[in-house]
Amino acid sequence: KAGVTQTPRYLIKTRGQQVTLSCSPISGHRSVSWYQQTPGQGLQFLFEYFSETQRNKGNFPGRFSGRQFSNSRSEMNVSTLELGDSALYLCASSLTSSASGNLQETQYFGPGTRLLVL
Amino acid sequence: GQQVMQIPQYQHVQEGEDFTTYCNSSTTLSNIQWYKQRPGGHPVFLIQLVKSGEVKKQKRLTFQFGEAKKNSSLHITATQTTDVGTYFCAGRISYIPTFGRGTSLIVHP
Repeated sequence: KAGVTQTPRYLIKTRGQQVTLSCSPISGHRSVSWYQQTPGQGLQFLFEYFSETQRNKGNFPGRFSGRQFSNSRSEMNVSTLELGDSALYLCASSLTSSASGNLQETQYFGPGTRLLVL
Repeated sequence: GQQVMQIPQYQHVQEGEDFTTYCNSSTTLSNIQWYKQRPGGHPVFLIQLVKSGEVKKQKRLTFQFGEAKKNSSLHITATQTTDVGTYFCAGRISYIPTFGRGTSLIVHP
C-alpha cells in the first residue's frame, strides 16, 4: 500500500497570507489527524477527522481549520499567517479499529509540509 | 494542563551502551504508543501498549507500561548508530492525542 502523501512538501509564504495543505491517507484509512511540529513546542495536535466529521480539535486559534472529503483525503487551512506558524505540518492516518476490545491507534505519518512564513 | 512528560530531553551514548527514555502522564492512559523520528524524517510507529504492567520486546527494544498506566519506558540494549533519532511516547488525554516532547538519542561510534 502507498503511504500517506502530503502536498506540497515545502512552502514559503508571507505574513497575512493564507495556505492550504493537503493530505492523502493510506487507502482504507478513514481517520486523519493533523499536527504542528516545532522545535520549541514539539508535536502539537491540531485536529482529527473521521468519515468527514471533526472528532477532536486541539488548542489552536480559529485561523487553523480543516476538512475531510468523502474519499478520506483531508486539507487544512491557515489564514492570516503569522511568523510563529512556521513549522512542519504532519498528517497522520489511522485505521482506528478495535481488535480484541482494544482500540488500535497506530498512526502512519506522512512526510510533512514544511511551511516558512516570512 | 494535562500533559505527557518525557525525560531525558537528550541522551548521548557510546555505541554499544544501553539507553532508556521515560514517559509520564498526568492522567491514566487507556493505551500508549511509541514512535521514532529520524533526523529530517517523520514519526514512525514502533509499538502500542494497552495492559497495565505490559512488557513488549522488539529485538533490542523493550517497552514497558506502568501498573497505574500513567508511565512507560523504552529501553534499547547495546545501541547502534541506526538507533539515532528522537523517540516519542503518545497517548490520549481527554480524547486529545498528546505527544511527549521526545528524547533525542545521539550515538557516538
